Amino acid sequence: AQSVAQPEDQVNVAEGNPLTVKCTYSVSGNPYLFWYVQYPNRGLQFLLKYITGDNLVKGSYGFEAEFNKSQTSFHLKKPSALVSDSALYFCAVTNTNAGKSTFGDGTTLTVKP
Amino acid sequence: DAGVTQSPTHLIKTRGQQVTLRCSPISGHKSVSWYQQVLGQGPQFIFQYYEKEERGRGNFPDRFSARQFPNYSSELNVNALLLGDSALYLCASSFRLAGGYEQYFGPGTRLTVT
Repeated sequence: AQSVAQPEDQVNVAEGNPLTVKCTYSVSGNPYLFWYVQYPNRGLQFLLKYITGDNLVKGSYGFEAEFNKSQTSFHLKKPSALVSDSALYFCAVTNTNAGKSTFGDGTTLTVKP
Repeated sequence: DAGVTQSPTHLIKTRGQQVTLRCSPISGHKSVSWYQQVLGQGPQFIFQYYEKEERGRGNFPDRFSARQFPNYSSELNVNALLLGDSALYLCASSFRLAGGYEQYFGPGTRLTVT
């Protein structure tokens, strides 16, 4: 079985400060890891993914994520937060294909001016 | 290019009724997955179809069924609706089955069961 934990329901940061949204996972075999963002009344939007290779992956809108195999983590980061980054963020994992992903319960990011 | 489309946007049904939700994937995408997202939770995997064949099923009762058509569009059917079926139903498509291909989600169908 595969699972994802997003330990923080809510993350609050000031605009211009760095942000981190945490994710840990459990899966058999090699993980494929994804971050998605959801805006109100919208579907999920792909941000970035880890398949293999460099542990630091870069994605859309200046976001990046660090894969740590020993800690089974895949934290989402951004050096300088924008108010427009405020949204609901989901981490997902699969060991087969993305269409069978297991998602975390999400973290609400609020960036204050 | 058009993204993933879903219809209807909203739906209100009564307990015991049946509902059909529809999804059109991005052109060229052959994999379609369905997810249920209950308020305050992440999406839960229901079904995956690829090339018109079921490739995976989540932990949902037999009241849930789906199919994929030759044009790769898909329908999700739910019979004997329960109050607990109220949720946002998301459809997602991806280019291939391989693990590294990310999903593209539609806006969802908001189902309310009264």
